[in-house]
Amino acid sequence: QSVLTQPPSVSAAPGQRVTISCSGSSSNIGSYYASWYQQLPGTAPKLLIYDNNKRPSGIPDRFSGSKSGTSVTLGITGLQTGDEADYYCGTWDSTLSSWVFGGGTKLTVL
Amino acid sequence: QVQLQESGPRLVKPSETLSLTCAVSGYSITSYYWGWIRLPPGQGLEWIGCIHHSGSTYYNPSLKSRVTISVDTPKNQFSLKVNSGTAADTAVYYCARVLLISGDMYLDYWGHGIPVTVSS
Repeated sequence: QSVLTQPPSVSAAPGQRVTISCSGSSSNIGSYYASWYQQLPGTAPKLLIYDNNKRPSGIPDRFSGSKSGTSVTLGITGLQTGDEADYYCGTWDSTLSSWVFGGGTKLTVL
Repeated sequence: QVQLQESGPRLVKPSETLSLTCAVSGYSITSYYWGWIRLPPGQGLEWIGCIHHSGSTYYNPSLKSRVTISVDTPKNQFSLKVNSGTAADTAVYYCARVLLISGDMYLDYWGHGIPVTVSS
């Protein structure tokens, strides 16, 4: 059971917008930057968002991140079938003195 | 271009030690932290730990008693050892570059991953 809570699954139609939430506490998201990772089927995870809302070079602006209090949210607009993947949030936790991942959210593009 | 490549035995017997190495190319291992993450079948990503070339380490508390991460600066690689392997250690193991600065941490480059099975 992760200290970061994500919905197990979300779904939306092509072209639509979807959001994925990641809820934590004052010892993790509330105090540190969070990042998001995309894991396409059969591939390694890829950094999608860092420092809550920054995109690495090469990540399209369809992907966005935001933070409010002890939660962060990943937004994806203009959904494509190629976006079907598992998405994970992650951050440092001061109580555990360790990095933690959320449980992961499986995105289905219907 | 930073590249990471995991290597090691893909089959480990129960109670034996799981040993993996991550070779880094395109960047010196003397900067940044370098970490290990695993993905057990049907589960989510699990953080194992990371190391700086100075020897500073951070481990997942749930694995700390069985895990050792070390760095080989001349070879520009780092390694993972998990003692007393059990079926629960069966997973795809990834190595990654870790940016770790006060208040800020993320994993920006990842290896392709190596599947490891613990079974007799």
